[in-house]
Amino acid sequence: EIVLTQSPVTLSLSPGERATLSCRASESISSSLAWYQQKPGQAPRLVVYDASYRSTGIPARFSGSGSGTDFTLTISTLEPEDCAVYYCQHRTNWPPEVTFGGGTKVEIK
Amino acid sequence: QLVQSGTEERKPGSSVKVACKASGGGFNRIAFIWVRQAPGQGLQWMGGIVPIFRSPNYAQNFQGKVTISADESTTTAYMELRSLTSEDTAVYFCAGATGQPYDSFELWGQGTLVTVSS
Repeated sequence: EIVLTQSPVTLSLSPGERATLSCRASESISSSLAWYQQKPGQAPRLVVYDASYRSTGIPARFSGSGSGTDFTLTISTLEPEDCAVYYCQHRTNWPPEVTFGGGTKVEIK
Repeated sequence: QLVQSGTEERKPGSSVKVACKASGGGFNRIAFIWVRQAPGQGLQWMGGIVPIFRSPNYAQNFQGKVTISADESTTTAYMELRSLTSEDTAVYFCAGATGQPYDSFELWGQGTLVTVSS
């Protein structure tokens, strides 16, 4: 079973600062990783897929990188509307299962 | 687009069935998953189904507790949860992936709150 560990648990930054979120897999998963943004009371929204491709409608300040076991979601200049919890996710072919990380909460100071 | 059925309240020991209606075409080739989010907690995968392949798969923690199905005639996926306890109180999301290899999920329902209380 793949385990995804996200850090930090909470990130508190000022508007305009750079946010760096980490997701570490318990074993190599190539580039098969997605990131989601969830705001309070809303469903998650796909931000990045295949580790580095932005989903439709996601602003260019969001970028994903990494492969193997270490992945990063970067928000280059933080906007107030980026306050949310961000989850990483991986799907395994066999056995077929989907795993989510524990989440990182991004707060604006 | 995915639209889920509304809020449910159940007694302990009962069952609940949540619907997730898909619109926009290609129903049979969407990979649907169900995700639980307990109050203040993260996302937990419960299981999934690709209608064209018919056979669902389940997370180990939910084996025997949940049944996932899909009805092509109504373009609706379903999740039934049995033997409810207070620990099943949560928001349940359906999500869908429209392209192989179904690694990420770009469609999400709005969530269905299920409250289990005596």
